[in-house]
Amino acid sequence: GENVEQHPSTLSVQEGDSAVIKCTYSDSASNYFPWYKQELGKRPQLIIDIRSNVGEKKDQRIAVTLNKTAKHFSLHITETQPEDSAVYFCAASLQSGGYQKVTFGTGTKLQVIP
Amino acid sequence: GAGVSQSPSNKVTEKGKDVELRCDPISGHTALYWYRQSLGQGLEFLIYFQGNSAPDKSGLPSDRFSAERTGGSVSTLTIQRTQQEDSAVYLCASSLRWTSGREHYSNTGELFFGEGSRLTVL
Repeated sequence: GENVEQHPSTLSVQEGDSAVIKCTYSDSASNYFPWYKQELGKRPQLIIDIRSNVGEKKDQRIAVTLNKTAKHFSLHITETQPEDSAVYFCAASLQSGGYQKVTFGTGTKLQVIP
Repeated sequence: GAGVSQSPSNKVTEKGKDVELRCDPISGHTALYWYRQSLGQGLEFLIYFQGNSAPDKSGLPSDRFSAERTGGSVSTLTIQRTQQEDSAVYLCASSLRWTSGREHYSNTGELFFGEGSRLTVL
């Protein structure tokens, strides 16, 4: 089955700096890579995703890159703000036949220091 | 309902007792997932349903864990003879059936999570 590794487990940055979280996956058939943000005491929510036919996607201050050959993908947050503090989960999914199994990484706790 | 609903939100039980956790997905969502999140840990896959069938049960930790879904809607996760290591937050998520984008309800496959059921086994 799919195995997703995520690094680092914790990350502290100064407000305004950039943050990068990296993930690798094992199943070359995976074709969908979402990122979820979980604020303290709340449920995970999708913040951005990318498909295997795209190398990069950007949405305001967040961007995701995908390297299919190396089987790794990354989340980039620029101009970090205190409200970006949360746990971020990467995931890999094989979407086939209308359904998918989503395997998550172990999470990165991001702390943005004002 | 407006979102994924889980009950109970908190459950404290004694070791050896059975517990049932319930998940009511968003109306119309055909896929339903169960994950476990231990304190400070990631999201551990348990099982997922396509309609009423469960094509992948590989994440269930032991035969003490079982899940069912009836009517393509509500799902119940049952843990028999609970152990202290079962203590965690059990998260349920649902999603629309993923499509290629040509149908009006096309979607990326986003998972919508419930608030979770926090289980504490004493």
